[in-house]
Amino acid sequence: AQKVTQAQTEISVVEKEDVTLDCVYETRDTTYYLFWYKQPPSGELVFLIRRNSFDEQNEISGRYSWNFQKSTSSFNFTITASQVVDSAVYFCALSGVRDDKIIFGKGTRLHILP
Amino acid sequence: GAGVSQSPRYKVAKRGQDVALRCDPISGHVSLFWYQQALGQGPEFLTYFQNEAQLDKSGLPSDRFFAERPEGSVSTLKIQRTQQEDSAVYLCASSLVVAEGYNEQFFGPGTRLTVL
Repeated sequence: AQKVTQAQTEISVVEKEDVTLDCVYETRDTTYYLFWYKQPPSGELVFLIRRNSFDEQNEISGRYSWNFQKSTSSFNFTITASQVVDSAVYFCALSGVRDDKIIFGKGTRLHILP
Repeated sequence: GAGVSQSPRYKVAKRGQDVALRCDPISGHVSLFWYQQALGQGPEFLTYFQNEAQLDKSGLPSDRFFAERPEGSVSTLKIQRTQQEDSAVYLCASSLVVAEGYNEQFFGPGTRLTVL
């Protein structure tokens, strides 16, 4: 069975602090995809990143970075120098190759305080 | 450049009423997915179509839930005899092609259903 666990339900940090959102996944597939989505108060799901299970290279995009470690089945997301606009719910998710449905974690609600 | 659209955006129903939620996928997209997002939770898979064929309906919570995509484009999710626990945001997503490798899903804005 596939499962995504986001242990942090809610996090509050002061603006400009760095914050890391944790994600642990379970799957029996050898090939799979990992995702992060952002859901701002307006409600739409905003795609942030997709990672193939064969590509463990960490990725940086502006203030965002992702750390994928297969050995610990983790795919953590770090926001550097957080801003108030980063306040949202963030979902980590998992998908197989043949079965395209996406399995989402329960989300981490991030509050960036001014 | 239209994305996935859903209607209505908000629906209030009295318990016991039937509702129909519509999804217009991106033109040409073969696959269509429905997800249910309860308050404070992540989206959960309901069902999946490839063209007009419903290939997976394992996530439908009960036989009150029914989805169709008769012409392989627009899809309707119908909920019969709505219950309060059906209150959620219903998300639709579409992707271009089903094949080996990844087919990106594009999500619509969702329909927020409130059952009183």
